[in-house]
Amino acid sequence: RKEVEQDPGPFNVPEGATVAFNCTYSNSASQSFFWYRQDCRKEPKLLMSVYSSGNEDGRFTAQLNRASQYISLLIRDSKLSDSATYLCVVSPSGGGADGLTFGKGTHLIIQP
Amino acid sequence: EAGVAQSPRYKIIEKRQSVAFWCNPISGHATLYWYQQILGQGPKLLIQFQNNGVVDDSQLPKDRFSAERLKGVDSTLKIQPAKLEDSAVYLCASTLARGFMNTEAFFGQGTRLTVV
Repeated sequence: RKEVEQDPGPFNVPEGATVAFNCTYSNSASQSFFWYRQDCRKEPKLLMSVYSSGNEDGRFTAQLNRASQYISLLIRDSKLSDSATYLCVVSPSGGGADGLTFGKGTHLIIQP
Repeated sequence: EAGVAQSPRYKIIEKRQSVAFWCNPISGHATLYWYQQILGQGPKLLIQFQNNGVVDDSQLPKDRFSAERLKGVDSTLKIQPAKLEDSAVYLCASTLARGFMNTEAFFGQGTRLTVV
């Protein structure tokens, strides 16, 4: 079983729609969770950290389910600029960036 | 604030040749990472440094890959000899320090290596 699994997509979504991605992780000892965004031929950039209580940043909402070992990302009112690859990232360390394990990413295409 | 600098941006070499990549992290960042990203996959950690010491190199193919961060600032990653399957983007990332919850990793633009 892969350590971090994501549906690679692509997800083709009309502008303004709501889209959700899930990701599952195999290491139950994982402590820190993130969503990174990667534009085509660019480097990954942190989108948001994922907290146990769930967290929201504008149109983006992240949830963590430790019992089922999955993380979700919800994007509301999607914009053309949201088109990118979204990488699910986990770390076994409570120290945040140590030992980051990336999923393969979910490719999102927002269509006008 | 200057970001993570990497060079070269692109490199094409023949198999069995050697190649070296350079990374300069964000000033003051103690932790430096090298990742390999093969097309269509997520980045895979090759090696992690804390200052000039190696924290994790468990996924580094040590028969052909080596990395150093002698003065605890910039770092080089070398491949010798290169194989076709080494074609990938090599990303360098840095973080302020270990031990901070939800610390953000800042990535450089990467070096795109093509082995022919």
